[in-house]
Order: sequence, then C-alpha cells, then structure tokens
Amino acid sequence: SALTQPPSASGSPGQSVTISCTGPSIDFGGYNYVSWYQHHPGKAPKLIIYDVSKRPSGVPDRLSGSKSGNTASLTVSGLQPEDEADYYCSSFAGGNTYVFGTGTRVTVL
Amino acid sequence: EVQLVESGGGLVQPGGSLRLSCVASGFNFDQRAMHWVRQAPEKGLEWVAGITWSSGGVGYADSVEGRFTISRDNAKNSLYLQMDSLRPEDSALYHCGKGSNSYVSGSPIDSWGQGTLVTVSS
Repeated sequence: SALTQPPSASGSPGQSVTISCTGPSIDFGGYNYVSWYQHHPGKAPKLIIYDVSKRPSGVPDRLSGSKSGNTASLTVSGLQPEDEADYYCSSFAGGNTYVFGTGTRVTVL
Repeated sequence: EVQLVESGGGLVQPGGSLRLSCVASGFNFDQRAMHWVRQAPEKGLEWVAGITWSSGGVGYADSVEGRFTISRDNAKNSLYLQMDSLRPEDSALYHCGKGSNSYVSGSPIDSWGQGTLVTVSS
C-alpha cells in the first residue's frame, strides 16, 4: 500500500518545510532506494532526490533528503514561490516493484 | 534531449482492453529500465509496472497484477502496457518513465512523458 505523507505543508518565503514519508518499504532489505518527486500540476513530475539524499544535476542544495528507520524526510529550505507544488516520495518495495507516497501539497504563503 | 511520447489512450468500456505505447528517444533505450506510472483525476501518483533493460524482470502493482502486462521492444525504442479487464478505477493519465539504470531496483524515474489519458466508462 501507499507510503503515508501529510496532505499539506506550508511556509513563508525563506522558511523551511519538512515532509515525512512513512511505510515499511522505506526500510526494505536495508536498501536506500528512496526518491522524491516534485510535481507542478499540468507538467511532468521531476526527480529531485534519489537514494535517500542524492540530488540529480541541477537540483539546488536547498532540497535535501534523509531517512531514519521506516521514515524518510524531504526538507525544502529557503522556500521560494516556485517550490509551491505537490511532492511525492517513492521507494523500492522488492520484486521489481515500487510504491509512491500519498503526496504532500506545499504552499508558499 | 530525452523524449518519451505516449499514445494509445482513449475511452473504453469496463471489461475492455487497451494497449499503451511509449516511444523513446535521446538516450540508449536498451540500457535502461522503464516504468509506467498513473495519476487518476484529483489523486496522487501510482506506480503501475516496471521492466528491466532486457525484459528479464518485470513487476506490477497489486492493483493491476494479472490484468496488465508490461513489455518492450528495444529494436523499436518502444515500451508497451497491455491493459485487460479494465475497470473504472483504472481511469487515469498514464505516464511512461525512464529508469536511472538498467534494473528496476534502485532505478527511480529520471525522465517522464507527458502521459496518455485512459477513461474506463460505459
């Protein structure tokens, strides 16, 4: 079943927001195969974090990921208007399968 | 530039079938795992299926296991999703996605297509 995320999070410009992602597959087999996606409605989702804490080229270091036990977290520091989007975690769940989180809508106040 | 272009969506009655296609360009298709992900209206992303570079390994979400079949033709740079016994809850925008390496494990989606819309309704 889907990983659990809070439905919403918000912060003022310049502040930080942290999104949690919880589920048994986060800690599956000792793998660190947790990723995060940013999705602006109407556009294709974008990979922003992979392998728990690695950033693809071009993703600012204001975005960071971590994991503890069966909970992963995404922190967006120095919030900017363009950070307003839906964020999804995802993890490898074994047997060539993945699972997404329920999604968190981030609002920049 | 990586491009993924999906096609094959449309309106189908419950119990019917559809075959989605995704044509890839801009990368070595035969060296990457591929995925299908869907998003129902006003809902979140749902991973549907994945396939290794060689088609040697496939995986499905529980919600589609036994009804959907993922396949690929590396000679045609194409990914497919055969969807049978369709249900209204399968209605969604279906995206194909390029894995970051050759195997499904540890292969998050680093490029996405814009999607093709499937509507299951009588």
